Amino acid sequence: ELKVEQNPLFLSMQEGKNYTIYCNYSTTSDRLYWYRQDPGKSLESLFVLLSNGAVKQEGRLMASLDTKARLSTLHITAAVHDLSATYFCAVEVNAGNMLTFGGGTRLMVKP
Amino acid sequence: GAVVSQHPSWVICKSGTSVKIECRSLDFQATTMFWYRQFPKQSLMLMATSNEGSKATYEQGVEKDKFLINHASLTLSTLTVTSAHPEDSSFYICSANDRVGTQYFGPGTRLLVL
Repeated sequence: ELKVEQNPLFLSMQEGKNYTIYCNYSTTSDRLYWYRQDPGKSLESLFVLLSNGAVKQEGRLMASLDTKARLSTLHITAAVHDLSATYFCAVEVNAGNMLTFGGGTRLMVKP
Repeated sequence: GAVVSQHPSWVICKSGTSVKIECRSLDFQATTMFWYRQFPKQSLMLMATSNEGSKATYEQGVEKDKFLINHASLTLSTLTVTSAHPEDSSFYICSANDRVGTQYFGPGTRLLVL
C-alpha cells in the first residue's frame, strides 16, 4: 500500500523567511503533484514532477523530486502572507490512475 | 486549461434523504473520474474510481450501496449519497483525467446533513 507522508503538518512562519515542506512516499511513482488549497476551496495545481531531478519554480515556490530517495520538496522563498494556505503533495503510481495524497501542510505566514 | 465543474456547490439536507452530486468535464472527454472526500482539516481520501460505461471501483471501507456512482457518459459522473446521515457531512471533490492522464479537479461540493 502506497503511503505518502508530509512534514511538517503545520507551519507558522514570518514574512520574508524561507522554509521547505517535505513529501516522502513509499513506492515508485510515475508522477508527483503539488497542490494548494485555500479554506473552503478545491485544489489548485502548482506543479507536476515527472522524473528524477526535476525542478520547477513558480514565483516564490520551487518543487523538486528525488525518485531514488522517494522524496519531493516544496521550497518557499521569502514568504509573503498570500502564500498562507494548505499544501498537499500527491503521488500517482500509474499515469492516469488515482492519486494518493499526503496529509497536507497548513502554512500560515505572519506579517 | 481543462475545466471540471461540480453541481451543486453546496447542499444542506435532512438526515435520511438522498443527495446527488454531478461532476462534469466541460471541454474534454474523461474516461476516468475520481471521487474524493475531505473532512475538515484533513487530507483528501479517494472514495472510488468511476469508469465510463462500467461499474465504479470502490476503495476499502467505502460502502457501494450508500455512495452510488454512475458514469453514464464521457463527460458526466454522478455520486449519490443515499440515506444521508450527519457523519456523511463532508467536502466531496471529483477529478477527471484527460487523454494523457492529467487529472483536473472540480471545485468541490460541500454537504451538510442535519
